[in-house]
Amino acid sequence: GAVVSQHPSWVICKSGTSVKIECRSLDFQATTMFWYRQFPKQSLMLMATSNEGSKATYEQGVEKDKFLINHASLTLSTLTVTSAHPEDSSFYICRPRGANYEQYFGPGTRLTVT
Amino acid sequence: ELKVEQNPLFLSMQEGKNYTIYCNYSTTSDRLYWYRQDPGKSLESLFVLLSNGAVKQEGRLMASLDTKARLSTLHITAAVHDLSATYFCAVGGAGGTSYGKLTFGQGTILTVHP
Repeated sequence: GAVVSQHPSWVICKSGTSVKIECRSLDFQATTMFWYRQFPKQSLMLMATSNEGSKATYEQGVEKDKFLINHASLTLSTLTVTSAHPEDSSFYICRPRGANYEQYFGPGTRLTVT
Repeated sequence: ELKVEQNPLFLSMQEGKNYTIYCNYSTTSDRLYWYRQDPGKSLESLFVLLSNGAVKQEGRLMASLDTKARLSTLHITAAVHDLSATYFCAVGGAGGTSYGKLTFGQGTILTVHP
């Protein structure tokens, strides 16, 4: 069965609004979650690393004030895209860190900003 | 900085033919992964290669790893239409702040036609 779930699977929002994406680990505890972004016909790019109980770390070029990450529990990490713009439209995918967990990606959330 | 390069980026194959996708990476790593992605979907793990000389096979796909050459190959045998997808290789971070992180190749879009 699925190891990681994401919600919503797709979302359409208006420019300037905020959108929250949830990533849940099922049947295990994930102290660290990676968040990726994938634009159409491109590869996955790591955005940030979410750490339970501490601040997230962001990759170079990713605006931490725009992409808010919260990892409040061992089974839930959230990514909030604030003041979304059309260029934020993308496929967002999470993945837990840990032995053998490199195989398990969340099902992804497709965000469309109009 | 770890760089991962795949080639070819686009591959159009006839059913029944064989072909190989190559994945080169720039720095030492002991973990290499191959994933498949169907349109609109997340990544599906195909192979995990953990040591030099590792070879794994599943159906018409076979992956190998040469850590000395920093090269992995994904060989397709007698292609069928169902194999049409995008294939990514990814290399695991060696440790420290890179622990658990994956760096992806650009992806190879495979189309199998009659």
